Amino acid sequence: QKEVEQNSGPLSVPEGAIASLNCTYSDRGSQSFFWYRQYSGKSPELIMFIYSNGDKEDGRFTAQLNKASQYVSLLIRDSQPSDSATYLCAVFHMNYGGATNKLIFGTGTLLAVQP
Amino acid sequence: DAGITQSPRHKVTETGTPVTLRCHQTENHRYMYWYRQDPGHGLRLIHYSYGVKDTDKGEVSDGYSVSRSKTEDFLLTLESATSSQTSVYFCAISPGTALNQPQHFGDGTRLSIL
Repeated sequence: QKEVEQNSGPLSVPEGAIASLNCTYSDRGSQSFFWYRQYSGKSPELIMFIYSNGDKEDGRFTAQLNKASQYVSLLIRDSQPSDSATYLCAVFHMNYGGATNKLIFGTGTLLAVQP
Repeated sequence: DAGITQSPRHKVTETGTPVTLRCHQTENHRYMYWYRQDPGHGLRLIHYSYGVKDTDKGEVSDGYSVSRSKTEDFLLTLESATSSQTSVYFCAISPGTALNQPQHFGDGTRLSIL
């Protein structure tokens, strides 16, 4: 089982719809969660991060975290063609036992917003 | 932009040659990271640094070494490049003082080993 799992997609939604991107993680001790957007041939760009259970909203983006079920999701409201990109979920786990503290990335979900 | 410059942006070289990639930041952040990104694997951490001359290994460190002699520069060296190291390499920096802070990425270096 991968540590961070995402459906590779493509997830196709019509312009103006809500896009829902999901991510599950295996380490119950994970502490913080990040969503990055990556356009083809470009670098990842941070769009949201969340540390506490519940919802966090920023403009058209809402991140949702459920630690009990070990999933984090990203909702994009009023999707635009410019939102078409790969969305990477990243999970941080601090290991106090001396092993590498690290950010683990999923392989990403490709979102295609159809005009 | 997060004030990160990677160089070179593209490089083609031959198997067995040494290669050094540079990451330069203007933010004076303590943490710097090197990742590689490959299809089907996502971003994987190679090495990271938490201060000048303080570095540690990531999950795919074999065949790579790093150095950080100044806060602003983090170098990644492939001592003897192999075709399996063909990848896109990203440098990232963290504005926080702890590891669980958002990381911001440079534009990447596309490296091809023939």
